[in-house]
Amino acid sequence: QKEVEQNSGPLSVPEGAIASLNCTYSDRGSQSFFWYRQYSGKSPELIMSIYSNGDKEDGRFTAQLNKASQYVSLLIRDSQPSDSATYLCAVKGGYQKVTFGIGTKLQVIP
Amino acid sequence: DTAVSQTPKYLVTQMGNDKSIKCEQNLGHDTMYWYKQDSKKFLKIMFSYNNKELIINETVPNRFSPKSPDKAHLNLHINSLELGDSAVYFCASSQVLRGRPSYNEQFFGPGTRLTVL
Repeated sequence: QKEVEQNSGPLSVPEGAIASLNCTYSDRGSQSFFWYRQYSGKSPELIMSIYSNGDKEDGRFTAQLNKASQYVSLLIRDSQPSDSATYLCAVKGGYQKVTFGIGTKLQVIP
Repeated sequence: DTAVSQTPKYLVTQMGNDKSIKCEQNLGHDTMYWYKQDSKKFLKIMFSYNNKELIINETVPNRFSPKSPDKAHLNLHINSLELGDSAVYFCASSQVLRGRPSYNEQFFGPGTRLTVL
């Protein structure tokens, strides 16, 4: 079983819609959870971090964490073409080690 | 203004050569990392140093040797390069407070694209 699982996509949504990205993880002791955005040919950029169960909102982004289900999600409201990128889910488990998922490619169609 | 910088940005070399990649951060962080992102875009941790001490050493061929002269710098030396070493190598940094809970938000450099011919 992969430590951090994501659907590689592509996930296509029309402009203005809500994009929903999902991630599951295997280590129940995981402490911190992150979403990174990576444009083609660029480096990963941290966009959201979440540490406790529930929702965390930042602008158009909402991260959701459910530790009992070992599930993390990212919602992007009012999706824009500029949101088209690969979104990497990352989980901090054992001592300072952060494990990344394969990433979900999001395409926002104008 | 660059937070995490890497040199060189591109590196093209022949099999069997030895090469180095350098990384510097000016964020005042105490922990630095090397990641490898292969052709399938999977990002995998290789090494991590906290205050010049090696704390993560994943299953990586011993041809790869990291070196941290101080907490703002982390270099990666690769001996006897092989075709399979071709990838993008990312440096990252974070602030990790030993003995205290830390969230480990990592900030990445621009990457070094290594091509082994």
